[in-house]
Amino acid sequence: DVKVTQSSRYLVKRTGEKVFLECVQDMDHENMFWYRQDPGLGLRLIYFSYDVKMKEKGDIPEGYSVSREKKERFSLILESASTNQTSMYLCASSTPMELFFGEGSRLTVL
Amino acid sequence: AQRVTQPEKLLSVFKGAPVELKCNYSYSGSPELFWYVQYSRQRLQLLLRHISRESIKGFTADLNKGETSFHLKKPFAQEEDSAMYYCALSGGSTLGRLYFGRGTQLTVWP
Repeated sequence: DVKVTQSSRYLVKRTGEKVFLECVQDMDHENMFWYRQDPGLGLRLIYFSYDVKMKEKGDIPEGYSVSREKKERFSLILESASTNQTSMYLCASSTPMELFFGEGSRLTVL
Repeated sequence: AQRVTQPEKLLSVFKGAPVELKCNYSYSGSPELFWYVQYSRQRLQLLLRHISRESIKGFTADLNKGETSFHLKKPFAQEEDSAMYYCALSGGSTLGRLYFGRGTQLTVWP
């Protein structure tokens, strides 16, 4: 059974803080993704990665960066959190035919 | 450019009634289409994909290339079908990268 684990389910941060969201998958998938989920806007892709140390921008990369030092781990970084980054963040890993999602990290920026 | 449109943000039906969740797409190539579902307090998961031509939990979806649609249908809705449904498109050579619609929240009343 594929498992994608996001280490933090709920976070509350202050404006300007640096935020790390961690994601680990245990199925040796090469592809990993970070999405943002907002009501009425659906899922929007922030960044994705096809291999270790490789990253590509998605549709809304501004204000975010990522790190993939090991195949199983894909981290999303908010260098200086802002209130408009309050959202649910979903990590996923994939085969060519299916995305497997984590449970999500709900971030509130005050 | 790839685009997925789900025209209904909210959809309500009574138990036992037929239900259809609409999805239209824009893509110049040969699309691969999916429906993902998120039940309350659960992670987002794949419901079905058009290439498999399968019926999952009584749901079916037919790809209509002429109308560029991939509507999700079920003849008799159940209360446990209440969830958020996302239509998604995979196009081009970027395997695993999906473009999502904004989602339709389905409520099935008893």
